[in-house]
Amino acid sequence: AQSVTQLGSHVSVSEGALVLLRCNYSSSVPPYLFWYVQYPNQGLHLLLKYTTGATLVKGINGFEAEFKKSETSFHLTKPSAHMSDAAEYFCAVCHSGTYKYIFGTGTRLKVLA
Amino acid sequence: NAGVTQTPKFRVLKTGQSMTLLCAQDMNHEYMYWYRQDPGMGLRLIHYSVGEGTTAKGEVPDGYNVSRLKKQNFLLGLESAAPSQTSVYFCASSLRGGVQYFGAGTRLSVL
Repeated sequence: AQSVTQLGSHVSVSEGALVLLRCNYSSSVPPYLFWYVQYPNQGLHLLLKYTTGATLVKGINGFEAEFKKSETSFHLTKPSAHMSDAAEYFCAVCHSGTYKYIFGTGTRLKVLA
Repeated sequence: NAGVTQTPKFRVLKTGQSMTLLCAQDMNHEYMYWYRQDPGMGLRLIHYSVGEGTTAKGEVPDGYNVSRLKKQNFLLGLESAAPSQTSVYFCASSLRGGVQYFGAGTRLSVL
């Protein structure tokens, strides 16, 4: 069965520091992978996605993620945190041709001035 | 192009009351979903639909019903609300295996 694990429900970084949010998945075949961001009192918005091809994926707002099949990981990074990055981030997986998306439990990012 | 629109945005119910949440999408997506979001639990799938006239149960369907009479609309009903259904409800739509687009959510309190 598929599952998604996000390590760390809360992460704090200083403004200008590296952001690293971790996501590991469990799947018998490589899935499609997504990172979504949720700002307070809003729905989820897509940051980036991986389907096939290049394993380093660039998204909006300077975020990127790398698909590592051997580690079954899809960690989200940003070189320099900005105050506006404070939000909750969700990793999700699905398989091509299916309806079902599995979401992680989310990581709340706090950016310290 | 409005994307996914949910109504209402907020609602307070008394235990035992009923209500319907409406989700409308204008992207011609086949797939539509209802999730609930509770602290520390991420998103949990309530019901989903893979096309007009079809619905299916997700992870936590008990106490909810849905209908998809038109491709663009997906309704979530609570027949007899319970305090355990206090949550934030999100509707989403997508193409098969594609990006999910979310509404802004409905915040429901059941007293």
